[in-house]
Amino acid sequence: GENVEQHPSTLSVQEGDSAVIKCTYSDSASNYFPWYKQELGKRPQLIIDIRSNVGEKKDQRIAVTLNKTAKHFSLHITETQPEDSAVYFCAASIRGNTPLVFGKGTRLSVIA
Amino acid sequence: GAGVSQTPSNKVTEKGKYVELRCDPISGHTALYWYRQSLGQGPEFLIYFQGTGAADDSGLPNDRFFAVRPEGSVSTLKIQRTERGDSAVYLCASSLNHGADTQYFGPGTRLTVL
Repeated sequence: GENVEQHPSTLSVQEGDSAVIKCTYSDSASNYFPWYKQELGKRPQLIIDIRSNVGEKKDQRIAVTLNKTAKHFSLHITETQPEDSAVYFCAASIRGNTPLVFGKGTRLSVIA
Repeated sequence: GAGVSQTPSNKVTEKGKYVELRCDPISGHTALYWYRQSLGQGPEFLIYFQGTGAADDSGLPNDRFFAVRPEGSVSTLKIQRTERGDSAVYLCASSLNHGADTQYFGPGTRLTVL
């Protein structure tokens, strides 16, 4: 089955700097890759997702890139703000066929 | 509109007891998923429903865990003879259908087995 690895497990950045979180997946059939943000004690919230027919997607300060050949995808947050502090999870699935398989999460701290 | 809701938000029980956790998906969502999240980990899949039927229950850890969705809306996750290792946050998510990608999560039920 699918296995998703996520790095780093913790990340501290200064406010205004960029943050990058990387994930790799094992199943080449996976074609849907969402990113969720989870604040302490709250539900995971989808922040961006990408499908395997595109290599990059942007939404304001957030972008995701996908390299299907290498089977890895990354989350990029620019101009970080203290409210970006949370745990971020990547996930992978085969659209319409399999549930999401999550990475172990990255705890991002943005220091003001 | 209303999001996914789960009750109770917290449940404390004793080892060996039976518990039921409830999930109300977004209205009109036919696909419903249960995940379990242990401290410091990502959500782990347990079971998903398409309509009333369990389409994939391969993530259920053993036969003490069971889930139902009799009318294709509300779902109940049932755990028999609870063990301390069952302590975790149980998350429910729904999507428009299983072919749709976006899963919307509920706030979870924090289960503590003493």
